[in-house]
Amino acid sequence: GEDVEQSLFLSVREGDSSVINCTYTDSSSTYLYWYKQEPGAGLQLLTYIFSNMDMKQDQRLTVLLNKKDKHLSLRIADTQTGDSAIYFCAEKENNYGQNFVFGPGTRLSVLP
Amino acid sequence: KAGVTQTPRYLIKTRGQQVTLSCSPISGHRSVSWYQQTPGQGLQFLFEYFSETQRNKGNFPGRFSGRQFSNSRSEMNVSTLELGDSALYLCASSSPGHETSGANVLTFGAGSRLTVL
Repeated sequence: GEDVEQSLFLSVREGDSSVINCTYTDSSSTYLYWYKQEPGAGLQLLTYIFSNMDMKQDQRLTVLLNKKDKHLSLRIADTQTGDSAIYFCAEKENNYGQNFVFGPGTRLSVLP
Repeated sequence: KAGVTQTPRYLIKTRGQQVTLSCSPISGHRSVSWYQQTPGQGLQFLFEYFSETQRNKGNFPGRFSGRQFSNSRSEMNVSTLELGDSALYLCASSSPGHETSGANVLTFGAGSRLTVL
């Protein structure tokens, strides 16, 4: 079945850029997503990208998609301590339904 | 508009008991999905309901079941609880397409944290 991989930890200094990487297996995914989870909370949608795009920018967030390599990345510019959270990459299985496959999550720690 | 509401937020059960969790989706959303989140397995898809019918099912034993009511509210039930069922159970609702694109966007509730002793 589909699989999504991410590195588990990332630590950056406040003010630096963070880059979280993800690889996925389902080449038929139409959209790819980034979700954020803060402690004690559910997941919050950050952004998504259509598979025929290679870049999407949304304020401090930049998503890059390399469809040939099935590689997705999320760049957070000017990372703040409030960005400390777990970030999940996700793809939706290509069927008539809403079952998404999530990566293991990358725990981002922002150091002052 | 109100978000996805899950109840209860926290509960403690003992092995062998059963539990029912509730989820109220965003008004107008007809699809409700359930996910189990554990430190070891991450986020795993349980099942999805749409218009009171189970549309997709993940790879979980039959002890895990769910249903959806005519108002789109959903419940999931776990019978004969095991220690390994301790997890955060997340519910998410979605509409067929996002407001400005065709993307399927899940909106999650805060989850129900189940501890099995």
